Amino acid sequence: EIVLTQSPGTLSLSPGDRATLSCRASQYLSRIHLAWFQQKPGQAPRLLIHEASTRATGIPDRFSGSVSGTDFTLTIRGLEPEDFAVYYCQQYGDFPYTFGQGTKLDI
Amino acid sequence: QVQLVQSGAELKKPGSSVRVSCKASGGTLSRFAISWVRQAPGRGLEWLGGVVPIFGTPKYAQIFQDRITISADESTNTAYLTLSGLLSEDTAQYYCVRSTGTWGTAFGIWGQGTLVMVSS
Repeated sequence: EIVLTQSPGTLSLSPGDRATLSCRASQYLSRIHLAWFQQKPGQAPRLLIHEASTRATGIPDRFSGSVSGTDFTLTIRGLEPEDFAVYYCQQYGDFPYTFGQGTKLDI
Repeated sequence: QVQLVQSGAELKKPGSSVRVSCKASGGTLSRFAISWVRQAPGRGLEWLGGVVPIFGTPKYAQIFQDRITISADESTNTAYLTLSGLLSEDTAQYYCVRSTGTWGTAFGIWGQGTLVMVSS
């Protein structure tokens, strides 16, 4: 199975900062099969980015995704207070679908 | 606007089975991949399996292969997850998710989650 390794585990930043979250795949993964989710306490995850770099409907343009080889990156420019949450990457190109272990974005 | 509405919380004994339902309102499930994802308390997300109703044959994560059944009733736009041989480690929030298309498409719409607690 494809293992996704996210780093860092926790990222402590302040509102207005830029956040860079990484997700490395254990083997080749087509860019069209990588997504990013945001999860807040007590809520279901919310799709932010799919196909590595396409924002989901209603997602602000401060969220962006990129890829280089097997390294995927979620960047959040100008952090807003509501952005402090846990972020997961996920691959949906190969069974079993798998998630990274998550990055907690802390104030 | 499609919403997925899941059944209520369950308290189960070890060794028993649980069935969780997921009904789509405002849209259909038939042509979309419906997956089940769980999250143990304080832990990450884990894909259990899924089904595309019009294709019929579900796909399962191997670690659950022996004790999971995923199905869908197109007439009622409802998907089901049955997990048997419950262990305390199966205590988790269980989510159904509708993808944006069939297999290989993004997890676009999530249900609200169903808490399954396994305890003697």
